Amino acid sequence: GQQVMQIPQYQHVQEGEDFTTYCNSSTTLSNIQWYKQRPGGHPVFLIQLVKSGEVKKQKRLTFQFGEAKKNSSLHITATQTTDVGTYFCAGGYGNNRLAFGKGNQVVVIP
Amino acid sequence: DGGITQSPKYLFRKEGQNVTLSCEQNLNHDAMYWYRQDPGQGLRLIYYSQIVNDFQKGDIAEGYSVSREKKESFPLTVTSAQKNPTAFYLCASSVDRSENEQFFGPGTRLTVL
Repeated sequence: GQQVMQIPQYQHVQEGEDFTTYCNSSTTLSNIQWYKQRPGGHPVFLIQLVKSGEVKKQKRLTFQFGEAKKNSSLHITATQTTDVGTYFCAGGYGNNRLAFGKGNQVVVIP
Repeated sequence: DGGITQSPKYLFRKEGQNVTLSCEQNLNHDAMYWYRQDPGQGLRLIYYSQIVNDFQKGDIAEGYSVSREKKESFPLTVTSAQKNPTAFYLCASSVDRSENEQFFGPGTRLTVL
């Protein structure tokens, strides 16, 4: 079935450093969404990208959608302890449902 | 977040028993979803409903059943046919049937003993 692959699955990041997490699909996406789930919590929507090559920023977070609309990335600068959690991408394939990746679990080292 | 409630937060059942998980939303959303989350597996879609009185199977529907008699409610029944029911269950909703952002409830952690 349709699925999105996320890499890496786990990351340990030193506080203050930058990191990137990636999302890839073998087929073209209609849109890509990113969610964050804090430990013990539930996923919370961060952003949606729709256009080819789109870049959006939210403070220290930068989201990109690839030109071919098959991949996306989330880059976080100056990591803080509040960035801990699991980041999920979710791809839309035009069938009115989202395909979630397995997530990138991020641990922040103080 | 606010607007979607799931109850209870923790649920324990004996093997062989059916159990129904509640999901209610007051966001006036048309579409509702049920996901199962296991460690390292991400979110897997069980069932989804785009309008009242209609629902479709997701990727792992076997052993589960749903109903959508009211717009606000989308209960999930975990039947005894589900071989490995212990998991974290998340309900979500979105404004309509298109691929808009989804709002998640707090989840129910089901443990089958």
